Amino acid sequence: AQSVTQLDSQVPVFEEAPVELRCNYSSSVSVYLFWYVQYPNQGLQLLLKYLSGSTLVESINGFEAEFNKSQTSFHLRKPSVHISDTAEYFCAVSEGYIPTFGRGTSLIVHP
Amino acid sequence: GAGVSQSPSNKVTEKGKDVELRCDPISGHTALYWYRQSLGQGLEFLIYFQGNSAPDKSGLPSDRFSAERTGGSVSTLTIQRTQQEDSAVYLCASSLGQGSLQPQHFGDGTRLSIL
Repeated sequence: AQSVTQLDSQVPVFEEAPVELRCNYSSSVSVYLFWYVQYPNQGLQLLLKYLSGSTLVESINGFEAEFNKSQTSFHLRKPSVHISDTAEYFCAVSEGYIPTFGRGTSLIVHP
Repeated sequence: GAGVSQSPSNKVTEKGKDVELRCDPISGHTALYWYRQSLGQGLEFLIYFQGNSAPDKSGLPSDRFSAERTGGSVSTLTIQRTQQEDSAVYLCASSLGQGSLQPQHFGDGTRLSIL
């Protein structure tokens, strides 16, 4: 069975500082990994995904995540955050047709 | 519209009443999911539809919950005899085809409040 652990429920950070949101998963088979972002009163939007190939994946807005099979992790990073990055971030793992989502990490960017 | 559409966006009802939540997936998406998101919690899977196959209902929390998908497109989630613990945001998502490769496209959700 697959599971996802997001280690931090809330991450406060100042604007222009770097940030890392942690995600660990467990699965008995090969998986596909996703990060979604949820802004207030909206649904989730895909931020980036790892399906195969390069272990470092990037999004168009400066986020990146690295798949680490030995540590079963898929941490999300951004070198310099903006106020507009304030949102809830969900990590998801999929080995079948029903993905499992983590509980989410609230990123709070302070000016 | 190009995205997943859910209605109503907000629903307030009294305990014991029935409610229906609607989801219009992206045209051409054969897979449709319903999730429940409670405050401070992640997404709880409820039900999955794929094309004309029998739905996967393994996530429905009780027999008060049911869902249908007509014509492989619009879906309705029905909660009968609502309870206060049913208060949550109900999210619908659709994706192209089945399988774990496909990312999901979410609607903005229906915020359900049971008084």
